[in-house]
Amino acid sequence: KNEVEQSPQNLTAQEGEFITINCSYSVGISALHWLQQHPGGGIVSLFMLSSGKKKHGRLIATINIQEKHSSLHITASHPRDSAVYICAVSPLMNRDDKIIFGKGTRLHILP
Amino acid sequence: DVKVTQSSRYLVKRTGEKVFLECVQDMDHENMFWYRQDPGLGLRLIYFSYDVKMKEKGDIPEGYSVSREKKERFSLILESASTNQTSMYLCASSLVPGQGIVYQETQYFGPGTRLLVL
Repeated sequence: KNEVEQSPQNLTAQEGEFITINCSYSVGISALHWLQQHPGGGIVSLFMLSSGKKKHGRLIATINIQEKHSSLHITASHPRDSAVYICAVSPLMNRDDKIIFGKGTRLHILP
Repeated sequence: DVKVTQSSRYLVKRTGEKVFLECVQDMDHENMFWYRQDPGLGLRLIYFSYDVKMKEKGDIPEGYSVSREKKERFSLILESASTNQTSMYLCASSLVPGQGIVYQETQYFGPGTRLLVL
């Protein structure tokens, strides 16, 4: 069983739609990360959060520690938001400081 | 801004060749990581290093070795490249005070090297 599960795996939407990507995890964590990977490979860190909610422009990330669940929302989506979005967690008992990654959600926004 | 650079964006090698992938970060970060990313499998940790000359195996170290002679540079070595090592390789760095301390720090990634082994 994967320790970090993302849904959906693939998502196609029209420009302007409100987008939600979900992440569930099974281990205790100290932090959860949302990453964005554009075609071509480079990965950008969007958020790191351990409680509540964070907002950056049109991106909003929320986390519910009790339910072991996080969501990434994109408001007024745009074709340039097309990318793979990766959820990753820093486990609590993390002696080696390793991060566990989800497999990613491929988002495609149509103009 | 943190900058993590990788020596090549694209690389084509033949089976059996020795391959060096280099990663350099300019933020004096302690930790550096090498991942490979394959469709359907996501990111998998190959090796990481938390200090100069220190290295730890990740989840899939077989067929790889690493070198960290200087703090800013972390090299991934494929001793004898094989076709199943065709993949996207990503380097990352983070500021971590020491092993065993959980530190809420994000990782900064390089642009990736797409390696094709023929």
